[in-house]
Amino acid sequence: EAEVAQSPRYKITEKSQAVAFWCDPISGHATLYWYRQILGQGPELLVQFQDESVVDDSQLPKDRFSAERLKGVDSTLKIQPAELGDSAMYLCASSHDRVQLTQYFGPGTRLTVL
Amino acid sequence: GQQVMQIPQYQHVQEGEDFTTYCNSSTTLSNIQWYKQRPGGHPVFLIQLVKSGEVKKQKRLTFQFGEAKKNSSLHITATQTTDVGTYFCAGSNDYKLSFGAGTTVTVRA
Repeated sequence: EAEVAQSPRYKITEKSQAVAFWCDPISGHATLYWYRQILGQGPELLVQFQDESVVDDSQLPKDRFSAERLKGVDSTLKIQPAELGDSAMYLCASSHDRVQLTQYFGPGTRLTVL
Repeated sequence: GQQVMQIPQYQHVQEGEDFTTYCNSSTTLSNIQWYKQRPGGHPVFLIQLVKSGEVKKQKRLTFQFGEAKKNSSLHITATQTTDVGTYFCAGSNDYKLSFGAGTTVTVRA
């Protein structure tokens, strides 16, 4: 069964450092999502891509976060500089398209900022 | 913006008992989805409801979409230890999915 791949699974960094997360969606899925999940809360959408284009980044803290999906396949989410409050699980998900909203999540990257 | 609220936040259930978790939206939804996240895992899609008043069953799980398409419920009968985890509803509108905070279920044997 096809799965969404993410790496790394765990990342520990010091505040003010840069971190990057990678996601490879299910093959053929046009829509890719990055979520942040704080312990005890539901996933919060950071950015949504349709192919290589950003369709929603309204909740992305653009002063420090950036995301790209250059070839419309895999994606990278970057944080620079990291802050203590960025400690969370970063989940990537994909769906077939914007209409078929059923989302398939990857295992996530657990970020700890010290 | 669209907000999705879930209650209760925590549900501690005796094995074999039934329980229900509820999801309420501040706006009318196009559809609603339910996901389950096991401890240490990631959300996994369970089901999608689209029609007003729709009811769907998956073994011991019964999902319902309200008539006004602003609320939903998940009812689990004869709870088992495998039901442990957090259940999220996610409401859809304008091709955007908003997740509730989830109901975390623990089971005592």
